[in-house]
Amino acid sequence: ILNVEQSPQSLHVQEGDSTNFTCSFPSSNFYALHWYRWETAKSPEALFVMTLNGDEKKKGRISATLNTKEGYSYLYIKGSQPEDSATYLCAISYGGSQGNLIFGKGTKLSVKP
Amino acid sequence: DGGITQSPKYLFRKEGQNVTLSCEQNLNHDAMYWYRQDPGQGLRLIYYSQIVNDFQKGDIAEGYSVSREKKESFPLTVTSAQKNPTAFYLCASSIGIQGAIRYTFGSGTRLTVV
Repeated sequence: ILNVEQSPQSLHVQEGDSTNFTCSFPSSNFYALHWYRWETAKSPEALFVMTLNGDEKKKGRISATLNTKEGYSYLYIKGSQPEDSATYLCAISYGGSQGNLIFGKGTKLSVKP
Repeated sequence: DGGITQSPKYLFRKEGQNVTLSCEQNLNHDAMYWYRQDPGQGLRLIYYSQIVNDFQKGDIAEGYSVSREKKESFPLTVTSAQKNPTAFYLCASSIGIQGAIRYTFGSGTRLTVV
């Protein structure tokens, strides 16, 4: 079973701080990397899907980069707000997985006002 | 609006009883999935189905069963053979393939077995 590692496990920041987290994955047979935002009691919400080495995607104050050769992705949040508080999940799909995603354990972000 | 509905949100059962968790989608997605989450763990795949009347075991299928009689529905039965059934269960569906796959998730069912 492939392993997807996310760090840190949890993060506490002040409103206005910028922050970033990491997702590491095996680079062989890679197809795509997904980032999700998961608020308590809600459904995980798709943020980005990235497939190509060097991909960079942005959605408002949130952006992500992908390095498929070394097997990592960064998620950045600029000027964190309390409403950014959530667990951020990383998942990959790979050749032979039939579309199934392998998830990391997530990074839990808490933004204090 | 299209989406995935999981019911109920919270479920309590006595040890030794089978229990079925509902998952319904109106997105016209072919593939559906069941995941389990335990404290401090990532989502782990229980079963998945890529087409009606067909399903495959995921990484932790023991003690679970599923059916896929309709495209819209993918119920999960937690049987008495599942040794640690208390967990959070998340259903998903997807469209697309490989790098273009897009998932949609339900909001989950928290099962407590006492």
